[in-house]
Amino acid sequence: SQTIHQWPATLVQPVGSPLSLECTVEGTSNPNLYWYRQAAGRGLQLLFYSVGIGQISSEVPQNLSASRPQDRQFILSSKKLLLSDSGFYLCAWRQGTFGNQPQHFGDGTRLSIL
Amino acid sequence: DQQVKQNSPSLSVQEGRISILNCDYTNSMFDYFLWYKKYPAEGPTFLISISSIKDKNEDGRFTVFLNKSAKHLSLHIVPSQPGDSAVYFCAASAASGTYKYIFGTGTRLKVLA
Repeated sequence: SQTIHQWPATLVQPVGSPLSLECTVEGTSNPNLYWYRQAAGRGLQLLFYSVGIGQISSEVPQNLSASRPQDRQFILSSKKLLLSDSGFYLCAWRQGTFGNQPQHFGDGTRLSIL
Repeated sequence: DQQVKQNSPSLSVQEGRISILNCDYTNSMFDYFLWYKKYPAEGPTFLISISSIKDKNEDGRFTVFLNKSAKHLSLHIVPSQPGDSAVYFCAASAASGTYKYIFGTGTRLKVLA
């Protein structure tokens, strides 16, 4: 069966520090991968998605970047965090080749910027 | 521009009764709709989906209804249980190679024992 791992679960970072959040998927190949952010009291905002290794699409202009160095690895990064980057970050995957399929989410990372 | 809207931020229902969560969308190109359930500090869990070629899909206590002319979908939970208390998100996508989903802002359901 397929599983998705996301870490760390919580992170407290000072303003201006770098960020690296990692997500890996097991049990499938060539998944579509997604990074979302849920700000307090808000819905899920799609930040980045990827349909293959090295391919990244950005949905909103922001202080973050994403990379997909391997088929089942998705990384969210920032060189200098802002206070507004605080939130709950979620990674998701879906099977990339079979039409309408649900996305499946990791347990998320709670990021607090001080 | 909020293409998927959940206008009720919260809902309280007695245990054993029906819970009805609503979702409206504006993009007529959407052809696949999903409901997710989310507990605090966890990722959303997929509940049920429906394709635009159907108007109803049922899975146990959960039924999703789609009214394409009204651009409206709803999730019915019968009977409601205290463990159903969570935030429910609806999502929609249009047929494309990326399968991006647009999520609503969520409805917090509280089932009272």
